[in-house]
Amino acid sequence: QKEVEQNSGPLSVPEGAIASLNCTYSDRVSQSFFWYRQYSGKSPELIMSIYSNGDKEDGRFTAQLNKASQYVSLLIRDSQPSDSATYLCAVNSMTTDSWGKLQFGAGTQVVVTP
Amino acid sequence: DVKVTQSSRYLVKRTGEKVFLECVQDMDHENMFWYRQDPGLGLRLIYFSYDVKMKEKGDIPEGYSVSREKKERFSLILESASTNQTSMYLCASTGDIYGYTFGSGTRLTVV
Repeated sequence: QKEVEQNSGPLSVPEGAIASLNCTYSDRVSQSFFWYRQYSGKSPELIMSIYSNGDKEDGRFTAQLNKASQYVSLLIRDSQPSDSATYLCAVNSMTTDSWGKLQFGAGTQVVVTP
Repeated sequence: DVKVTQSSRYLVKRTGEKVFLECVQDMDHENMFWYRQDPGLGLRLIYFSYDVKMKEKGDIPEGYSVSREKKERFSLILESASTNQTSMYLCASTGDIYGYTFGSGTRLTVV
């Protein structure tokens, strides 16, 4: 069973619309959650982090965390063609033998169409 | 800003060669990681290190070794390069719970 699961996509989103990405994780002791954006041929770039239940907003991005249901989501408002990328969900369990080590999902490809 | 620098952006090596991939970070981070990324397979952890001289195997350590003689530098070594090691190699570092910073990646082709 994969520890961090994401829909691979592609998720096609009209320009100006909201892109909604979901991620589920299996380890209940997970404490830190991250979203990375990766453009084709480039390395992942951290765009959001969230540590407690609820919503966290940063510009056009909103991360949502529900630890009871073990999911974390990312909303991209007013989607732009420059948002076309693969979005990776990452989880840190913070246990003694895994401190600092992230578990990554396979990523969701987002395509914003003009 | 934290900088993680990988020495080469593109590299072409021959089968059987010993290959060194270098990674340097400038934020005094304790934790450093080497991943490879292949289409459809996502990020796979090769090795990681929590401190100088310390190393731990990740999910796919076979055919690789690492060296961490100084805190800021974490090297990945392909003892005898093979064509199935053609991949994008990503180095990352972190000092706390705030996620990784990745280097720009090294695209290695073994011919």
